[in-house]
Amino acid sequence: SQKIEQNSEALNIQEGKTATLTCNYTNYSPAYLQWYRQDPGRGPVFLLLIRENEKEKRKERLKVTFDTTLKQSLFHITASQPADSATYLCALDRSGGYQKVTFGIGTKLQVIP
Amino acid sequence: DARVTQTPRDKVTEMGQEVTMRCQPILGHNTVFWYRQTMMQGLELLAYFRNRAPLDDSGMPKDRFSAEMPDATLATLKIQPSEPRDSAVYFCASALAGEGNEQFFGPGTRLTVL
Repeated sequence: SQKIEQNSEALNIQEGKTATLTCNYTNYSPAYLQWYRQDPGRGPVFLLLIRENEKEKRKERLKVTFDTTLKQSLFHITASQPADSATYLCALDRSGGYQKVTFGIGTKLQVIP
Repeated sequence: DARVTQTPRDKVTEMGQEVTMRCQPILGHNTVFWYRQTMMQGLELLAYFRNRAPLDDSGMPKDRFSAEMPDATLATLKIQPSEPRDSAVYFCASALAGEGNEQFFGPGTRLTVL
């Protein structure tokens, strides 16, 4: 069966360090992968999209990699700040581009001042 | 400032009662999604629509859940009869049709069924 795994344990890091979150998947061949941020009591907010033919994408302090051989995406936040504390969700296309995505359960990131 | 709105924000009801949740997608967005989020299962897709037509509702328990788009500015999710296991946060999201286009989520409806 299709499966997406994110570190369900919380990730605690020191302010200023780089946070790295992992999204692993099995039995998918997604056309793209998205990362969202979710704050408590709010809906997810889109951050980045990376397509299957892209290895890396950057946006300000964010960087996403996509390795279709390893079936893994890594999400990096450089120079992390306490305001980056949130839950981060990866979402994989499972509809050949029809926008039907499956979300991982998310990883809770806590940046300690 | 365009955003997805959902009502009610919180709903407490008793088992067996009917629950209706409403969503107003962002004007111009032609794809609407309904999700359910729980701690154990995370975000699960219940149904989605394109140009008001249902594209997929395979994630929805058909016997008690129904989703509709009476017009382009309103999507509804109905549960009848509700059960305690339906307790969750229900999110609506909207998007422009197109591969990879981001979804814009509403604030959610927190449903508690006693």
